[in-house]
Amino acid sequence: DTAVSQTPKYLVTQMGNDKSIKCEQNLGHDTMYWYKQDSKKFLKIMFSYNNKELIINETVPNRFSPKSPDKAHLNLHINSLELGDSAVYFCASSQPGTDTQYFGPGTRLTVL
Amino acid sequence: AQSVTQLDSQVPVFEEAPVELRCNYSSSVSVYLFWYVQYPNQGLQLLLKYLSGSTLVESINGFEAEFNKSQTSFHLRKPSVHISDTAEYFCAVTQTGFQKLVFGTGTRLLVSP
Repeated sequence: DTAVSQTPKYLVTQMGNDKSIKCEQNLGHDTMYWYKQDSKKFLKIMFSYNNKELIINETVPNRFSPKSPDKAHLNLHINSLELGDSAVYFCASSQPGTDTQYFGPGTRLTVL
Repeated sequence: AQSVTQLDSQVPVFEEAPVELRCNYSSSVSVYLFWYVQYPNQGLQLLLKYLSGSTLVESINGFEAEFNKSQTSFHLRKPSVHISDTAEYFCAVTQTGFQKLVFGTGTRLLVSP
């Protein structure tokens, strides 16, 4: 009974390609997030959606486009991948009013 | 804006020794505080949190953290560590009701026999 799941777990691709990472939560939460963890393990928020509406967009290049088809899913699409996009991407979810975020297992993206 | 400082990038300890992982935060408004743990090649797991009430919070696996408003700290402690506690520990803060987590740079806890 995975609470927050992500696919794929690993993604290896060439520079210039377009790729997507999917996230699903079965916790019934209204808010979902994408975080990026760089090679030095530093975690930074990228986006936040509440009930399919974008509420946080942290100066992320517009090659990154989140899409929320419903409140249980938040996908991340990345165009024209660059070497610097190599990182681990974490999806998370929370319920407004609780301020506690639950994280998925992460997707390790490697751009060659 | 909030910020979090974890001064120790790595803390080596022997098994059964006590440990303290330091976390200081900066904020001009009231905050919630969290510790997350990341075991090797795994995702982030919530270890414990301070939202309100008692300033001492505990996890189910023996960790505790104390919120100290005057010192703007939320240090994590365990009286006796196990090999299995080897992991990266992240302190995080969010402005109450805002839901944007700001993380520290992490502390790698290395427990050896």
